[in-house]
Amino acid sequence: GNSVTQMEGPVTLSEEAFLTINCTYTATGYPSLFWYVQYPGEGLQLLLKATKADDKGSNKGFEATYRKETTSFHLEKGSVQVSDSAVYFCALSKTQAGTALIFGKGTTLSVSS
Amino acid sequence: GAVVSQHPSWVICKSGTSVKIECRSLDFQATTMFWYRQFPKQSLMLMATSNEGSKATYEQGVEKDKFLINHASLTLSTLTVTSAHPEDSSFYICSAREPGDAYEQYFGPGTRLTVT
Repeated sequence: GNSVTQMEGPVTLSEEAFLTINCTYTATGYPSLFWYVQYPGEGLQLLLKATKADDKGSNKGFEATYRKETTSFHLEKGSVQVSDSAVYFCALSKTQAGTALIFGKGTTLSVSS
Repeated sequence: GAVVSQHPSWVICKSGTSVKIECRSLDFQATTMFWYRQFPKQSLMLMATSNEGSKATYEQGVEKDKFLINHASLTLSTLTVTSAHPEDSSFYICSAREPGDAYEQYFGPGTRLTVT
């Protein structure tokens, strides 16, 4: 069945450090891939998405590239800020309308000044 | 962006009672809503898919007689936990999808249920 595996946290970084959160997936067909972020006390928000192989999603300095050959969708940011502290979830969805998301377990990022 | 609300944000109930959680899309019509359950430090697990005007589709292992889902209008879906037990204590999250948008879901802030 479909599944998402992401690196376990917590990830602790200093401000302006480089961030990578690994995410790999198992799926049949051609899923769309997402990164969601959950700030403390808030609901999940879509951070970025990619709907086909080699697409790069980007938002707020974060990037992730849909790599079909390695079934990966790693999240990166060149210089993290304290305000990036949150839980990050990798997820996949089939392209068919109405299909729900399958989430990874989430990775907690803590950035200190 | 689109906003989804949940009510209540937290609830405490006694074992054996039922509790209803509401999920509303505030500024768009949602033909499809999803209900998830999140355990501490774990991922969101899909419980069911709710389509307006039809019966919900439950994921394997989810008791449909225990977790009653109603999607009576394009802006409201409800989850009723019947005969709640302490093991039902969890964080319940809904999301909603706009018609024609195959990709993006908008999530509610979640409801913390504690069964004593």
